[in-house]
Amino acid sequence: GIQVEQSPPDLILQEGANSTLRCNFSDSVNNLQWFHQNPWGQLINLFYIPSGTKQNGRLSATTVATERYSLLYISSSQTTDSGVYFCAVNFGNEKLTFGTGTRLTIIP
Amino acid sequence: ETGVTQTPRHLVMGMTNKKSLKCEQHLGHNAMYWYKQSAKKPLELMFVYNFKEQTENNSVPSRFSPECPNSSHLFLHLHTLQPEDSALYLCASSQGQGAAGNTIYFGEGSWLTVV
Repeated sequence: GIQVEQSPPDLILQEGANSTLRCNFSDSVNNLQWFHQNPWGQLINLFYIPSGTKQNGRLSATTVATERYSLLYISSSQTTDSGVYFCAVNFGNEKLTFGTGTRLTIIP
Repeated sequence: ETGVTQTPRHLVMGMTNKKSLKCEQHLGHNAMYWYKQSAKKPLELMFVYNFKEQTENNSVPSRFSPECPNSSHLFLHLHTLQPEDSALYLCASSQGQGAAGNTIYFGEGSWLTVV
């Protein structure tokens, strides 16, 4: 099956800083999603982005499918951005495979 | 609010108890999923239902028994669990199963502790 690696595993930043989270995957995909899991366990969809670039407020994501990676950018971090960020991928009808996540902590 | 509702949010049960987790989606989706999230592990897919039919059982022990009476509701019946089954159980739904373009939406999760 597809292997998904996320980096860094942990990231601690001061409020207002910018960050880049990376997701590498081992095979072709036609579905890639980024999620944010808040401290209470809820997983929230951020982006559906199998290729290209999307922006939503302070967050943006870019997937370069040919090079098998995706980046999530968070600008002007806020404490509410804290949590774990997951990327998940699949191809065709294969099950969605999740990475192990990046734990982001924003310090006031 | 993602349109997927799970109850209860927290459950503590003994190893001999029988309990159930409930999931309801209000998105008109046809596929529903149970995932397990243990500490320091990636999300593990447990079961997939598509149009009420089970299409995937990811080698889950029989002490976990899913039920999907219709496309909007999914249950996970729990019986004689072990302490290592303590985890966050997440329900999710998508328009279809797997195919490109199917964004998956998660519920808030049910925190299960087996004592």
